[in-house]
Amino acid sequence: AQSVTQLDSHVSVSEGTPVLLRCNYSSSYSPSLFWYVQHPNKGLQLLLKYTSAATLVKGINGFEAEFKKSETSFHLTKPSAHMSDAAEYFCVVSDTTGFQKLVFGTGTRLLVSP
Amino acid sequence: GAGVSQSPSNKVTEKGKDVELRCDPISGHTALYWYRQRLGQGLEFLIYFQGNSAPDKSGLPSDRFSAERTGESVSTLTIQRTQQEDSAVYLCASGARDSSTDTQYFGPGTRLTVL
Repeated sequence: AQSVTQLDSHVSVSEGTPVLLRCNYSSSYSPSLFWYVQHPNKGLQLLLKYTSAATLVKGINGFEAEFKKSETSFHLTKPSAHMSDAAEYFCVVSDTTGFQKLVFGTGTRLLVSP
Repeated sequence: GAGVSQSPSNKVTEKGKDVELRCDPISGHTALYWYRQRLGQGLEFLIYFQGNSAPDKSGLPSDRFSAERTGESVSTLTIQRTQQEDSAVYLCASGARDSSTDTQYFGPGTRLTVL
């Protein structure tokens, strides 16, 4: 079975500083990987996805993630945090057996201080 | 355009009562998914519908949980004889195709509280 591990439950940064949210995955074959963001009282929104094309994936709002097979990692980064980035972030792997069953990590809450 | 909508947004019920949660997917989306999100946890897959095919119910936690979908339209998740451990946010998502790389679009969820 596929799984993802988000290494930090909370990450705190100051506005304007870089963001790093860590994710490691476990998969028996080449996975599809996603990052979703959940703002308070709002639905989940797709930030970006990796589907075996380029290993460096660019998403919305300046976020990007790099797929590293040797490290089984898919960390999410952003060069400069904005106050509006404060939210819960989920790393997700797609179970490709038959249909797109998403397997979610436990989430990382990003706190951005002025 | 309109996204995925869910109703009610909040539901408070007493232990032992039945509840129905509704999901309206994006028009034209053939795939529909239900997930459960317990406090402080990631989402757990519950059930999947694809067109007129038989649903995949492998994620339903017990036989108290069931779901229906009318064609490629509205879906209803029913929880019978609710228990306190059923308290969670129930999220619905729809997708245009059945593909491992396709995007799922999520609704805002229904927060269920069982007293």
